[in-house]
Amino acid sequence: NAGVTQTPKFRVLKTGQSMTLLCAQDMNHEYMYWYRQDPGMGLRLIHYSVGEGTTAKGEVPDGYNVSRLKKQNFLLGLESAAPSQTSVYFCASSLEGVEQFFGPGTRLTVL
Amino acid sequence: AQSVTQPDIHITVSEGASLELRCNYSYGATPYLFWYVQSPGQGLQLLLKYFSGDTLVQGIKGFEAEFKRSQSSFNLRKPSVHWSDAAEYFCAVVPNDYKLSFGAGTTVTVRA
Repeated sequence: NAGVTQTPKFRVLKTGQSMTLLCAQDMNHEYMYWYRQDPGMGLRLIHYSVGEGTTAKGEVPDGYNVSRLKKQNFLLGLESAAPSQTSVYFCASSLEGVEQFFGPGTRLTVL
Repeated sequence: AQSVTQPDIHITVSEGASLELRCNYSYGATPYLFWYVQSPGQGLQLLLKYFSGDTLVQGIKGFEAEFKRSQSSFNLRKPSVHWSDAAEYFCAVVPNDYKLSFGAGTTVTVRA
C-alpha cells in the first residue's frame, strides 16, 4: 500500500515549457486535490476532483489544468510555465472529502 | 472572509519546555479541524483531528489540541518538546465543502 505517490520529485523548466505532474493513489479514494506551497502562505488549493471524470477549480487555478480520467490518477498540467509557478506541489486524496492524505511533493523550478 | 489564522509565524522553544501553537478560524459553523506537521523537505503528516465529541483530542508524537467553540480556536500543545519536534506546523479546516483551508504555518525551532 503506497498511499499517495507523486511523479516527478524534482523538475526544472524554462519559461514557456510545458509539463505534467502525476499523482497516484491506491486507497480507492473518491476525492483528489492539487495544492501549491509557497513560503509564508501555507498550502493553496489549485484544482480538485470529487470523482473520476470530474474536476473543479480551487483557490489559485490560473495557469494550470487537470484531468482525472482514472479514479486512481490525478494529473496537473502546466501548458506554458512561468517563474511565478516555481513552488512545491502537493497532491492529496480523501475517501469522503474530509481527512486528506498527502503525497511527498514535487519541487518545481521555472527559470 | 472565511479564513484560518496562525498568529505566530515563528516560535523558539527550549528542549523539554512546553509548546503551544495557536489557531483561530472564522467560519460560521464548526468545521472539521486538523493539525499537520511538515519536517524540512518532507510532506505533511497528520498530527491530530477534531470532528466532534470530546474537545480535547490526542494525537501522535505526544501532541494534543483543544477545541474551544466560544473562541473559534483549536490550539496545539505539547508538554515537553524534543529536538525532533523542530518543524513547520499547519492548522487546517474543512468547513463544509470538502476543501481544506490551511493557515500560513508556524515554524518551531528547538534550542538545546
